[in-house]
Amino acid sequence: DQQVKQNSPSLSVQEGRISILNCDYTNSMFDYFLWYKKYPAEGPTFLISISSIKDKNEDGRFTVFLNKSAKHLSLHIVPSQPGDSAVYFCAASSYGQNFVFGPGTRLSVLP
Amino acid sequence: EAGVAQSPRYKIIEKRQSVAFWCNPISGHATLYWYQQILGQGPKLLIQFQNNGVVDDSQLPKDRFSAERLKGVDSTLKIQPAKLEDSAVYLCASSLGQTYNSPLHFGNGTRLTVT
Repeated sequence: DQQVKQNSPSLSVQEGRISILNCDYTNSMFDYFLWYKKYPAEGPTFLISISSIKDKNEDGRFTVFLNKSAKHLSLHIVPSQPGDSAVYFCAASSYGQNFVFGPGTRLSVLP
Repeated sequence: EAGVAQSPRYKIIEKRQSVAFWCNPISGHATLYWYQQILGQGPKLLIQFQNNGVVDDSQLPKDRFSAERLKGVDSTLKIQPAKLEDSAVYLCASSLGQTYNSPLHFGNGTRLTVT
């Protein structure tokens, strides 16, 4: 039973446009959510996080939105750049324990 | 700040052999995690340490996998004997601790191939 789902295995976006990556979760006890970016042959790199007491967190070109009632979060990248091409993982945890990861979405930003 | 260090980067072994992976977390990070990432999937938690105590090992196949974190710093993960389905990337991560909403920081992983 997947507690964290990323239903789009891949996404292609033109350079300069907005990239929107989506994530759904089933466990209502999750209270901390994160996005990671992964390049080939490297470990996942932390991008941005959000606590369940917020509905939005912004860091430069990256914004994460959390909709607790829908158990849904999304990552917006504006503007998208070719260097953003990578696999993006959504993750969630409760009380700082047992971080659960989604299967990932491969983003391709086309020049 | 030095990142999470892992070695080796790659390992190829035959089934039924044993293998060990090493991890050195970021200095000052109390919590250490081992994840298994099979190709095309997200990382799956194997074990979580808080200092040198085990917090969660519910998904660790204890008949063949073992892990320890001596003195609350470095950690080793061992597989004995290995099976074909153990082929994966083994990722070590660390964080400040479970009392904080602090992110995990990952090493570059060890890619294990079991033939």
